[in-house]
Amino acid sequence: KAGVTQTPRYLIKTRGQQVTLSCSPISGHRSVSWYQQTPGQGLQFLFEYFSETQRNKGNFPGRFSGRQFSNSRSEMNVSTLELGDSALYLCASSSGQGVTGELFFGEGSRLTVL
Amino acid sequence: LAKTTQPISMDSYEGQEVNITCSHNNIATNDYITWYQQFPSQGPRFIIQGYKTKVTNEVASLFIPADRKSSTLSLPRVSLSDTAVYYCLVGENYGGATNKLIFGTGTLLAVQP
Repeated sequence: KAGVTQTPRYLIKTRGQQVTLSCSPISGHRSVSWYQQTPGQGLQFLFEYFSETQRNKGNFPGRFSGRQFSNSRSEMNVSTLELGDSALYLCASSSGQGVTGELFFGEGSRLTVL
Repeated sequence: LAKTTQPISMDSYEGQEVNITCSHNNIATNDYITWYQQFPSQGPRFIIQGYKTKVTNEVASLFIPADRKSSTLSLPRVSLSDTAVYYCLVGENYGGATNKLIFGTGTLLAVQP
């Protein structure tokens, strides 16, 4: 079974630009969640999508948005990039139903904002 | 929201048993306790999850006292490859919802030969 795939793995942007990151979950998984990881703040929850609907949201500004498609693939977008947005963005998938504790993470997209 | 407290770092030697304790004083009735392992430049990997008492799988054991205000991850006979950051998470997982899942700063376990 293929794991969670995130693209691109690395990218460099400049302040003010916007970026879109993609996540393909494990086949059959309907829940996709996104996390931001930085040395200073650690791993922080951004949002979660289930069956194309945002089910949960963390405490990030509106510049961070996401969506999920009918095939469960998800994208997250960050507009008007700031230097502080430089981070490793991780996507995780799960079945999204029942009591499940196992999130399957991708290897992440490392974003550098100059 | 339940918040967890873990030691920032721990040192061990190969072959030893390592116990990492996590405090979660404000754990709620519906919260589960989950541990993840993360290597540099990789996403976290699920280790074990429990609600109460003891849970054991092929790689670790999780001990949870009756009051559930803390938990201990036990790694038997660690090797160099167990050097990683270990996160304790407390959150409601019913329905697969990841709401309120907070990753703390984690514990950096350094295993030496």
